[in-house]
Formats: sequence, C-alpha cells, structure tokens
Amino acid sequence: DSGVTQTPKHLITATGQRVTLRCSPRSGDLSVYWYQQSLDQGLQFLIQYYNGEERAKGNILERFSAQQFPDLHSELNLSSLELGDSALYFCASSATDSTGGNTIYFGEGSWLTVV
Amino acid sequence: AQSVAQPEDQVNVAEGNPLTVKCTYSVSGNPYLFWYVQYPNRGLQFLLKYITGDNLVKGSYGFEAEFNKSQTSFHLKKPSALVSDSALYFCAVRVPYGGATNKLIFGTGTLLAVQP
Repeated sequence: DSGVTQTPKHLITATGQRVTLRCSPRSGDLSVYWYQQSLDQGLQFLIQYYNGEERAKGNILERFSAQQFPDLHSELNLSSLELGDSALYFCASSATDSTGGNTIYFGEGSWLTVV
Repeated sequence: AQSVAQPEDQVNVAEGNPLTVKCTYSVSGNPYLFWYVQYPNRGLQFLLKYITGDNLVKGSYGFEAEFNKSQTSFHLKKPSALVSDSALYFCAVRVPYGGATNKLIFGTGTLLAVQP
C-alpha cells in the first residue's frame, strides 16, 4: 500500500458527461500529480500541484482541470467526455525535498470507461 | 528533450534464471532514474531509484539496477526470476523544473513473463 488513496476505483459514464476523480496523498506529501494511462498513449503526465498551487502542466486537455485543496487532497475534473478519454487515471504524491530525487508514490488508479 | 526508452516490449525468462529489463535515457544534466512495476489491475509500485553515488542500486523484491553513465543506461536486473515477478515494468526519468517540481517521464513499459 503506497498510502495514496484514489476514489472511485471504477467509473462508467456516457459521452458528454462530467466526472470528478479524487485523490488523497500520502500523509505529509505536499506534491500531487495526475497521470493518464492508456493503451495508445502509455503513461502521460497531466498536471502537478504543490501545496495548493499548480506547478507543472503536461498533456492535459482543456476539458480537464484539477485543483488541490487546503487539506492537500486533489480532484481531477473531466468534462465533455469522449470515448477516447477512457483510461486509467493515476494520482501520485511526493514529499518536498530540496535535494531532489523525491520518490513519487502512486495510487491504485481510477478506471474510467466512457460509453 | 528528456526521454527514456525501453527497447523491448516483452522479455521472456524461465523461473530461476537471471533477468534483465533494459532502459536507456536521454537527459541534460544529472539524471534521476526510477523503476516501477505494475501488476495486473494494480497501480504503479516503486522498485528503486538512482540519484547519485553507487552505480548499483538495490531495491524491493530482490531487484537491482545498474546505472551506466557512458552508455546512458539503467537496466533492471534480478539474479533469479520468480513467476510472481511477471508484470509490466516501467523505467522513468525525473525532469526537474526547479523547486519542488518533480515530473516523471516514463518509458513505454516492458512486459516481463516468467515461465515456470
């Protein structure tokens, strides 16, 4: 158990709908990351938050947004869903470390199926 | 651009034999390299990392990896494979933006199949 908790584990929704994925980082970790894993794209970095502020952005679609709350949990919002958004969405977290090389710990993921 | 390559989509090995899963990287500056494993329908589990120091890094479940700067490689190894090692293995390189940013770039993954 990595200590990163994601809900829901599985989600089936229709095209055009909106869903919210939730993540609780490991205790004490200030950085939260979102990744998307699909067969055709592999593991893609979406976005990173650090202590409530957006820190880095990757291949995140405009239809997707995220935020990190004061209690450090994070939510990934996916809207106007398309069939191609079906994927496994990972949340991960890491502690702050000025020397770098922090280990990033991943949750079990949220399986999203768009039908 | 920072990148990592896993040249083999699949590696097959007999139980009890040594295994190697290959990874090469391309980064500017000092690389931070990681290996993760993904079991079926599970999340990514951290195995080991290289930051600095000894080129041979030991990790979880008996795995180790050797950092080779001249060959820009970070191959994952295990002296004796187990059937339970069968999984998808990912190599990753850290891309520093500065401060507390810590983005990981992943390879495409290598499926390890250990036959009994």
